[in-house]
Amino acid sequence: DVVMTQSPLSLPVTLGQPASISCKSSQSLVYSDGNTYLNWFHQRPGQSPRRLLYKVSNRDSGVPDRFSGSGSGTDFTLKISRVEAEDVGVYYCLQGTHWPLTFGGGTKVEIK
Amino acid sequence: QVQLVESGGGVVQPGRSLRLSCAASGFAVNRFALHWVRQAPGKGLKWVAFISYDGSIKYYADSVKGRFTISKDSSKNTLYLQINSLRAEDTAVYYCARGAPSGSNFFDYWGQGALVTVSS
Repeated sequence: DVVMTQSPLSLPVTLGQPASISCKSSQSLVYSDGNTYLNWFHQRPGQSPRRLLYKVSNRDSGVPDRFSGSGSGTDFTLKISRVEAEDVGVYYCLQGTHWPLTFGGGTKVEIK
Repeated sequence: QVQLVESGGGVVQPGRSLRLSCAASGFAVNRFALHWVRQAPGKGLKWVAFISYDGSIKYYADSVKGRFTISKDSSKNTLYLQINSLRAEDTAVYYCARGAPSGSNFFDYWGQGALVTVSS
C-alpha cells in the first residue's frame, strides 16, 4: 500500500501568518494517464471533511484563494497564505493513483 | 444540489451484522463511482470500499475484505455497506463520498456520517 506521510502533526499558527503542510507518498502518484491524483481536505471538529484541492493544485469552488497546492511525484504541499480563524481543524491528503486509496495521518492546525 | 445522507448506524454487539445506507440526491448513483470511508473516534480517515459507476468493479481495504460488501440500488438512488461479523475495531463514523479518482468529482461531496458502535 502507498503510505502517505504528513508533517507536521500539529501546526500552531498566528492569525494572518502563512502555514504549510507537507504530504509525502511512498510511491510516485503519477498515473499512467499523466495525471497526479492527490486531494487535500479540511475537517472541522464534528463535521465531515471538505475537499479543498484536487489533482494537486485545482481549487474547489468556494475555496478561498489563500489555499494553494503544489508538488509532484512523491512530494506535495498545501499552503495557506494568511491563516484565518476559520482555517482551524485537521487537514488530510488523499492519493487516488493506487489501490487501495490511502489518506495521510492528518495535520491539526490551531491558532497560537 | 448534491446531497449524501447516511443512515443505519447504531450500537451493535460484536459478531452481529449491520447495513448502512447512503441516500443520494442531486445526481444519479448509476452515473458516479462511490466510496465508504470510516473514522474511528479521535483518529484519522481510512478508506474502506469503492464501487464503480455501473457496479461492475468493487475494491475493499484489506482490513474489511470478506466481511464488508458495498452495493448500490439505482432505483432507490442509494449506496449500501453491509457489515458482517462486527468487531470492536469497526467502531467508527462511516462516511459515503462520491467520485472516481480519474474524475474532477473525486471525493467532492461527503455525507454527514453514521456512527457505528460495536459493544456488548
